Amino acid sequence: ELKVEQNPLFLSMQEGKNYTIYCNYSTTSDRLYWYRQDPGKSLESLFVLLSNGAVKQEGRLMASLDTKARLSTLHITAAVHDLSATYFCAVDSMDSNYQLIWGAGTKLIIKP
Amino acid sequence: GAVVSQHPSRVICKSGTSVKIECRSLDFQATTMFWYRQFPKQSLMLMATSNEGSKATYEQGVEKDKFLINHASLTLSTLTVTSAHPEDSSFYICSASWTGTDTQYFGPGTRLTVL
Repeated sequence: ELKVEQNPLFLSMQEGKNYTIYCNYSTTSDRLYWYRQDPGKSLESLFVLLSNGAVKQEGRLMASLDTKARLSTLHITAAVHDLSATYFCAVDSMDSNYQLIWGAGTKLIIKP
Repeated sequence: GAVVSQHPSRVICKSGTSVKIECRSLDFQATTMFWYRQFPKQSLMLMATSNEGSKATYEQGVEKDKFLINHASLTLSTLTVTSAHPEDSSFYICSASWTGTDTQYFGPGTRLTVL
């Protein structure tokens, strides 16, 4: 059974600091997705990672994928307040019949 | 808690037929439900937002007459793809939330294939 675990589930940090959110999954995956959700709003796609060693960056966010370790990371560099949101990872694969399996989400609060 | 189910998980239909996808919140009352679509190797695209008892709000470019959304109860929303065509083949995902929370809970998705 494909499972996805995110940690931490909650993170409060100061502006200017760096931090990493981890996404572990239990079986092989075809694609790994990172999404951002602002309170009361729909998902915003951040990254889609397709292959081992994939690294994508957008502004202060960088996502990477290690398929051998079954681990993706979302790294935040020099955090700013407007990055406060809930971040989800999700994976799909042939094992899940290509249904998305979601992580529980990481609620990130960045204090000025 | 906060489990969302979708039915069916997979459907294959002929061009011109209509398909109904159900989204249910199993252990909470969902005042708001969202419907997303995902094309192969792409990310989710929000189609519409529905609040219980009122008409859905569709995103720009989404045909409301083609993608009928009904949110008649606090635990059920349906998406009907009318007169489906092969280009409607996609992965449809719903999510649900309730008043007072800023978290959405996602269903596992429904894979629609139109022949």
